[in-house]
Amino acid sequence: QVLLQESGPGLAKPSETLSLTCAVSAASIGSGYSWGWIRQPPGNGLEWIGSLYHDGRAFYNPSLKSRVTISVDASKNQCSLRLSSVTAADTGVYYCVITGPHNWFDPWGQGALVTVSS
Amino acid sequence: EIVVTQSPATLSVSPGERATLSCRASQSLGSYLAWYQQKPGQGPRLLIYAATTRATGIPARFSGSGSGTEFTLTISSLQSEDSAVYYCQQHNGWPLTFGGGTKVEIK
Repeated sequence: QVLLQESGPGLAKPSETLSLTCAVSAASIGSGYSWGWIRQPPGNGLEWIGSLYHDGRAFYNPSLKSRVTISVDASKNQCSLRLSSVTAADTGVYYCVITGPHNWFDPWGQGALVTVSS
Repeated sequence: EIVVTQSPATLSVSPGERATLSCRASQSLGSYLAWYQQKPGQGPRLLIYAATTRATGIPARFSGSGSGTEFTLTISSLQSEDSAVYYCQQHNGWPLTFGGGTKVEIK
């Protein structure tokens, strides 16, 4: 069973770039999977950030597109998220996911809480 | 953007009873709708995809139905461990979007 574990700084300052990584266990990141990130503001619902497909295509939420980059590092078997120019509105739990063949998400990581505050 | 609306916001059901959750889309999804369960402090878990297909390891008491713009998740006999927030997600087009969630409480 594929396991995903997010990690990164729990605190970011406004205007900085947030960087998170997702360590992948029981699967090779280069073995045809597609990857994604989803976030959840405190006490709220889920927002898709973007997905990176096994063929190299990337799709991002238009609301975040200008600030987001998703990449994979096969040598480290991990996926990464970079979100630039963060504000308090970017505070929340960030989940790493595998994006299924028709864009459902399974499995999910446990999530990483990020707080944006000066 | 496809807007997905869930109802009710909260559902209180006795153990052993049936729970019915609804999800409505602003445009036709065909059968491209998924359901997730989220318990406190955990990441969501996929229950159903393509409207009716149970994910691996999901108990048979969870079933999905519907197509087009109207979808339903049914828990046939509610167990105590089913207390959670349930989200639907359209996987028909970008941006991929989620409903606001239905909280299922055990009465």
